[in-house]
Amino acid sequence: ETGVTQSPTHLIKTRGQQVTLRCSSQSGHNTVSWYQQALGQGPQFIFQYYREEENGRGNFPPRFSGLQFPNYSSELNVNALELDDSALYLCASSPTGALYEQYFGPGTRLTVT
Amino acid sequence: GQSLEQPSEVTAVEGAIVQINCTYQTSGFYGLSWYQQHDGGAPTFLSYNALDGLEETGRFSSFLSRSDSYGYLLLQELQMKDSASYFCAVQGNAGNMLTFGGGTRLMVKP
Repeated sequence: ETGVTQSPTHLIKTRGQQVTLRCSSQSGHNTVSWYQQALGQGPQFIFQYYREEENGRGNFPPRFSGLQFPNYSSELNVNALELDDSALYLCASSPTGALYEQYFGPGTRLTVT
Repeated sequence: GQSLEQPSEVTAVEGAIVQINCTYQTSGFYGLSWYQQHDGGAPTFLSYNALDGLEETGRFSSFLSRSDSYGYLLLQELQMKDSASYFCAVQGNAGNMLTFGGGTRLMVKP
């Protein structure tokens, strides 16, 4: 059973640029959630995708967008990067009906300068 | 909205028992989860309580009181490797999002 993978591991971008982060869900999981985790804080829910449709969204502006593909891989896109977007971005997949049991990927560390 | 409160830091010695509390405010409560995160690592799922009472998984136990909007994680026979951050998370609203607390940093000393 393959776990959740994310790419890239680290990324440095300049303010105003756009970034795409990628995630491959654990085999058999059709729900994926994305989180932003600032240093020393808990993960903050960005949005969730279920069967390629956005199924819930946290308190993040529209410049945060996502996609889920038929093979359950997914992307997080962030436009017009701001300095405060610097954080660890975590992708998590969960089995159907068990959102409470999330399997997290190793994360992408994004630094915006 | 949803909010969770947990202590920011707890220190204990190897072999001891420690309890990490979590109080929450949410609409449409489904359940309370606990996650462990080592420095530089990803959160890993520990336990879940949907109903009142105690759930035991090896050295770890989790308790929930829905009427008090309160839960705790109990770690027994502490080991050095238990040094990590512990997060409670509530599944609320329409059940389609998980809200995490700010985390409790546990330091286990010899």
